[in-house]
Amino acid sequence: GAVVSQHPSWVICKSGTSVKIECRSLDFQATTMFWYRQFPKQSLMLMATSNEGSKATYEQGVEKDKFLINHASLTLSTLTVTSAHPEDSSFYICSAKQGRFYNEQFFGPGTRLTVL
Amino acid sequence: SQQGEEDPQALSIQEGENATMNCSYKTSINNLQWYRQNSGRGLVHLILIRSNEREKHSGRLRVTLDTSKKSSSLLITASRAADTASYFCATDEGTSGTYKYIFGTGTRLKVLA
Repeated sequence: GAVVSQHPSWVICKSGTSVKIECRSLDFQATTMFWYRQFPKQSLMLMATSNEGSKATYEQGVEKDKFLINHASLTLSTLTVTSAHPEDSSFYICSAKQGRFYNEQFFGPGTRLTVL
Repeated sequence: SQQGEEDPQALSIQEGENATMNCSYKTSINNLQWYRQNSGRGLVHLILIRSNEREKHSGRLRVTLDTSKKSSSLLITASRAADTASYFCATDEGTSGTYKYIFGTGTRLKVLA
């Protein structure tokens, strides 16, 4: 149980376009989802916390107008990278919180974004 | 948010040897978790240790937690080539009720056959 999926697994886009990444909890309801970004050979950096039905809470230094997060249901959160630029190329990972297990987060497999 | 520190940053050992990685963090926590990540892949959850626990075992993994020193260690015994990966600790910030995770900088482990 506690499986989280992401779609797409990788995407290549042109500079200036917008890209949407989906994060789904497949077998549980996730009231809270988290979005992370990971640059090569670096650790995961939390971008934002997404609660179902409310606005996301962004970490300091993360542009909320550039990284749009929508958590419309208990099983789906989306991250849209707007007007993507090469510096946005990164590995984006989501996680979903199943609160009854000591706040353990379950991670998706990640989405590799390459902006040309 | 501030990342935790892990050391060493990189570790190279021979198959069969033990590997020890250390993690230090800054705030009080509810629990600490260790994850493995193969190159370019997602995270694999290894073990969770709660703040009131001092040691936990899972197969060849042994995790210790010292909340007075705000540190944890992960020991992999009898390492195998398949253990080659990056290992991260993650602590939950128990304040404000969000329980967001703060990841350590990671240790890149290479096990040589």
